[in-house]
Amino acid sequence: AQKITQTQPGMFVQEKEAVTLDCTYDTSDPSYGLFWYKQPSSGEMIFLIYQGSYDQQNATEGRYSLNFQKARKSANLVISASQLGDSAMYFCAMINAGNMLTFGGGTRLMVKP
Amino acid sequence: GAGVSQSPSNKVTEKGKDVELRCDPISGHTALYWYRQSLGQGLEFLIYFQGNSAPDKSGLPSDRFSAERTGGSVSTLTIQRTQQEDSAVYLCASSSTFMNTEAFFGQGTRLTVV
Repeated sequence: AQKITQTQPGMFVQEKEAVTLDCTYDTSDPSYGLFWYKQPSSGEMIFLIYQGSYDQQNATEGRYSLNFQKARKSANLVISASQLGDSAMYFCAMINAGNMLTFGGGTRLMVKP
Repeated sequence: GAGVSQSPSNKVTEKGKDVELRCDPISGHTALYWYRQSLGQGLEFLIYFQGNSAPDKSGLPSDRFSAERTGGSVSTLTIQRTQQEDSAVYLCASSSTFMNTEAFFGQGTRLTVV
């Protein structure tokens, strides 16, 4: 069984500052993928970034980067230069080779002006 | 279609009635997922399909819930004898065969049981 844990129910960050959202996972599969999604108040799910378990380098997409520490089974999302529009729920997710996709409980990020 | 389509977008039903929720995935996507999300909460996994088969049904909350997928395309989630605790947004997502591709979500069906 695979499990995703997000230990921060809510976080505040000052506009233009960087913020790290935590995600740890548990799986016995050697091959897996890790995703981050953003869900604004409108409810849509927006894909942000992907990291494969065999990727040697941390994934980056614009202001988003994934701090992948395989030995610690963590996949933290780093958002640089926070913007007011970054206020949303953020979900970490993991997929295994059988395409089972599991989500964490989410972190609500609030960006302060 | 261009994206994942769910219908209806909103459903209000009386307690005890059956409801059927529909998901039309992106054409060619082999994997299809159903999740449930209560207000302000995370995504509760319900079931997923690889083609027409469901490798994992462990997330279905009770035997009142069932799902099927035919022709490797459209899926329906059926809730029998609805209860008030079934009220939530039901989200469907689909993805291609490859593990490194993201899942695309529909806009969800908001179910309210009164």
